[in-house]
Parts: sequence; C-alpha cells; structure tokens
Amino acid sequence: DAKTTQPTSMDCAEGRAANLPCNHSTISGNEYVYWYRQIHSQGPQYIIHGLKNNETNEMASLIITEDRKSSTLILPHATLRDTAVYYCIVRVAILTGGGNKLTFGTGTQLKVEL
Amino acid sequence: GAVVSQHPSRVICKSGTSVKIECRSLDFQATTMFWYRQFPKKSLMLMATSNEGSKATYEQGVEKDKFLINHASLTLSTLTVTSAHPEDSSFYICSASPGQGAYTIYFGEGSWLTVV
Repeated sequence: DAKTTQPTSMDCAEGRAANLPCNHSTISGNEYVYWYRQIHSQGPQYIIHGLKNNETNEMASLIITEDRKSSTLILPHATLRDTAVYYCIVRVAILTGGGNKLTFGTGTQLKVEL
Repeated sequence: GAVVSQHPSRVICKSGTSVKIECRSLDFQATTMFWYRQFPKKSLMLMATSNEGSKATYEQGVEKDKFLINHASLTLSTLTVTSAHPEDSSFYICSASPGQGAYTIYFGEGSWLTVV
C-alpha cells in the first residue's frame, strides 16, 4: 500500500472548519483513500473514504486532487469532541482475504480549542 | 452501521499467566479479522490476520506461539497472550469488515492489557 505523509499536529478553534491534509504521491490507480480517527484510549473510528471523486457524509468531506496525489479531510464545524489523531490511509480494495488490513502511519493530532 | 466489539475492555493479569481477548462482529459475518497492538503515543501495528477455519497469518516479528489466534466462527476471533510478561502490556485492537474490496473496515473498542 502507498505511503502517506501527514502533519504531526494541528490546532483548530471550535466552530471553525478543520482541514487536515494528506500527501500520497505514490498512490496507484486502484488504491482508495481512507480516513480514520482515534480518540484517546479507543479503537479507530471510520470517517470517510474515496477513490477519485470528492465525498461527503454526515461526519466530514473528503477532497481528492485531480492527480490523486493528495487529499484533504474537512470537518466543517469542529467541536471539542473532534480532538483526536486522524489517520490517512491508502489501500488497494482487492477481493481477497488479505485485502482488508490497514497500515497505519503516525497520523495528525488535531486539537480543537475554545 | 456495522459494529465490532471486544471483551474485556481492560484486564490485569499476573506475569506468567495467559489472558484471552475476544473480538466479535455483531451484525455481520467476517471471514477475516485483524489484530493490532498499540503502545502509548504510538501508532497501531498489525500483528496478525485471523482466518476463519484456518491458521492465522502473522506479521514478521510476531511470535505465533505467544500470541495464539483462533477464529472458530464467522463472528468471533480470539487472541490469547500466553505466558504474559510486563512488556506485553499494551492496547490490543481488532478489526473486521463485512466484505472484501472497498467495504468499510470497522474496529473494536480495544482492550487494555496490563501485566503485573
């Protein structure tokens, strides 16, 4: 799976949009971009994923550049409960048993403050 | 949405004893589940792939005789830490998916193991 690069940490004011970048310059055509977050002492929580088109759900929006070499996760109105480590992961969605493992990088520690 | 549950959430055991952690998929069947461990302030590290009805596949450097994995049904995988030592103290997390390909992968709540 392609390697990703994320900033180590970011701060955001409560109520403002949090924009978390991720570089994945070696991504292949069949690799998806996934975002998870991990609140302290809990298991990772799925946020969103996409292949080439921008995606939006009730939690966030995912913007993928046209060349797919980078993406941005947007939390439109960050709250204190969004403070967590955010992981950007790219993986091949293959139809075999070993295709569902995820390789985690170091992620971005997002701190939402008043 | 799909839910993966782990039990126990916290366990303390004495050095030299064994401890079992369960991972269940509550509303879907999973032919494969994955076990990770995480040390404080570190990222998740994949330990092994649990395959229903067959042997687990371990990542390089993970001792298969120390971390026993059993995937006896399509909704349950267990991780047994045998002859536990203080250095095995960690946060253990499992994951599973209702399908292959682009299906979402869900994680359990995690299990804190403390070996004293």
